[in-house]
Amino acid sequence: QITLKEAGPTLVKPTQTLTLTCTFSGFSLSTSGVGVGWIRQPPGKPLEWLGIIYWDDDKRYRPSLNSRLTLTKDTSKNQVVLTMTNMDPVDTATYYCAHRRGGNSRDFDYWGQGTLVTVSS
Amino acid sequence: DIQMTQSPTSLSASVGDRVTITCRASQSVSSYLNWYQQKPGKAPKLLIYAASSLQSGVPSRFSGGGSGTDFILTISSLQPEDSATYYCQQSYGIPYTFGQGTKVEIK
Repeated sequence: QITLKEAGPTLVKPTQTLTLTCTFSGFSLSTSGVGVGWIRQPPGKPLEWLGIIYWDDDKRYRPSLNSRLTLTKDTSKNQVVLTMTNMDPVDTATYYCAHRRGGNSRDFDYWGQGTLVTVSS
Repeated sequence: DIQMTQSPTSLSASVGDRVTITCRASQSVSSYLNWYQQKPGKAPKLLIYAASSLQSGVPSRFSGGGSGTDFILTISSLQPEDSATYYCQQSYGIPYTFGQGTKVEIK
């Protein structure tokens, strides 16, 4: 059974760096084709795709966040870490990590419960 | 970025009704189109992937179709538990953008 869970601060100040950890089980991020993506959702707004890291350490980022966003993985710990610099109140959102299965699929079939991050001084 | 436009933004229908939601891409996304259901306070749930493939465990009243730029999600017989917001997502080009969502309410 695949599960994912996000963890990190609930409140960050403007200009600070956000670090969120996605801890997962039920799959390996060393399996060909597998990835872990990050998606966020500001309160009352639609979903926004942020980026994805693949089994081979390839990474893709939302271009508008490319200079602020970094994804890393620790395969031995079954964790993916999201780092976002220079946080702003507009970054207030629920942040989700999700499993991208292998093969030709490009969907997210399992999601974490999400964690709400508020950016405020 | 590829823009995804859903219509309608919201709808209200009765139990047993057939409901259709459309999603249009600003450029062709081939069949790289997914549909998710999200209930308040919950994570999205994958319903349909690759435009028309039903995700395991999802009721057969849900179906998807289309290719290129125009896609549809159909609920053949609306049930009370289908009250939710539905999102399309293209996974053809980075960033993998979502539509703005369609809120489905039960009359």
